[in-house]
Amino acid sequence: LAKTTQPISMDSYEGQEVNITCSHNNIATNDYITWYQQFPSQGPRFIIQGYKTKVTNEVASLFIPADRKSSTLSLPRVSLSDTAVYYCLVEPDSWGKLQFGAGTQVVVTP
Amino acid sequence: DVKVTQSSRYLVKRTGEKVFLECVQDMDHENMFWYRQDPGLGLRLIYFSYDVKMKEKGDIPEGYSVSREKKERFSLILESASTNQTSMYLCASNPGGTVYGYTFGSGTRLTVV
Repeated sequence: LAKTTQPISMDSYEGQEVNITCSHNNIATNDYITWYQQFPSQGPRFIIQGYKTKVTNEVASLFIPADRKSSTLSLPRVSLSDTAVYYCLVEPDSWGKLQFGAGTQVVVTP
Repeated sequence: DVKVTQSSRYLVKRTGEKVFLECVQDMDHENMFWYRQDPGLGLRLIYFSYDVKMKEKGDIPEGYSVSREKKERFSLILESASTNQTSMYLCASNPGGTVYGYTFGSGTRLTVV
């Protein structure tokens, strides 16, 4: 399983864009990059997944450069309710246990 | 939306009790997982199951067992609860590949006194 490195915490104000970069230097050819969001006292929630280039959904965008050794989760115009821990995972396209790291605590203030 | 339902949000049990944590998913997923989450330690896999009556140990199976008699239900059993099993327990399910994402339940916060 590829190891990931992401910042421990990030602070932002409401309405700003938040970008969280995750490093995964040992990513394998069949690995996908997935981000989960976790609120206090809740289970993690799948928010976005990608393999290469850019993926966008109603919640976030995911940017993956050509070498795939890093990825950036972009949260546009954050609100207070986006305060959560965000986890970057790199997993092969097969089932199995998920390797969660420490995640990035994002705190949004007014 | 797939739902993973954990039977209890909060539980308080005494040391030595046998504890059952229940998890039910409603989308016919093949794979189900039990994790525990502790501050500073992140999520750690206890057991997982890829089919009815099948189970595999995760990273920290000691003191736990599981049961999967029906596809939709995956139970975690603490044979003799101890205080170091006080934790948040999370159940997850997946239909059979990373690309589909994993769906987690809301968690059960277990306190063993």
